[in-house]
Amino acid sequence: AQSVTQLGSHVSVSEGALVLLRCNYSSSVPPYLFWYVQYPNQGLQLLLKYTSAATLVKGINGFEAEFKKSETSFHLTKPSAHMSDAAEYFCAVSDLGSSNTGKLIFGQGTTLQVKP
Amino acid sequence: GAVVSQHPSWVICKSGTSVKIECRSLDFQATTMFWYRQFPKQSLMLMATSNEGSKATYEQGVEKDKFLINHASLTLSTLTVTSAHPEDSSFYICSAMEDSNQPQHFGDGTRLSIL
Repeated sequence: AQSVTQLGSHVSVSEGALVLLRCNYSSSVPPYLFWYVQYPNQGLQLLLKYTSAATLVKGINGFEAEFKKSETSFHLTKPSAHMSDAAEYFCAVSDLGSSNTGKLIFGQGTTLQVKP
Repeated sequence: GAVVSQHPSWVICKSGTSVKIECRSLDFQATTMFWYRQFPKQSLMLMATSNEGSKATYEQGVEKDKFLINHASLTLSTLTVTSAHPEDSSFYICSAMEDSNQPQHFGDGTRLSIL
């Protein structure tokens, strides 16, 4: 079985500060991992994905994430926060590689607040 | 690329009516589409997985007679909430996947309010 835990339901940073959103996963098979962002009253937009290639993954809007197998982590970072980064962020793991249905298991989400 | 259109974006209707939500992949063929439900300040809950030309696979606890899913073509899936009641009010989101090696791409969601 696969699961995702996002540590911290709410993260607040100042504009220009480092953004770090934490995600730990559990998977019995090599995981496919994703970060999505959701703005109010909208669907989810893919930020980046890890599919067993390079462990440091670069995404859109200056975000990146590093896959660390030893720590079962896939934390999302951005060097300098912008006001427009304020949103809900979801980490997800896929069952690709096991049952191969493409189902995503989502974490509970982290609300990022950016203060001026 | 990889645009998913969901319609309508907002629905308000009376208790007892049925509501149909459409999910279309605009620039790719989706072998699989997913339907999610999201409560305020919560994560997405997968309701069902839909493959073109076959019956949808529902998650445990989701009433298949209540939430009818049709995936008639490689670019269109519909979710019909039958005899909707206030407890069905929620944000419903669809996603589409070109194949199992590609990520899911999401629609913008439908806010359903049952009076």
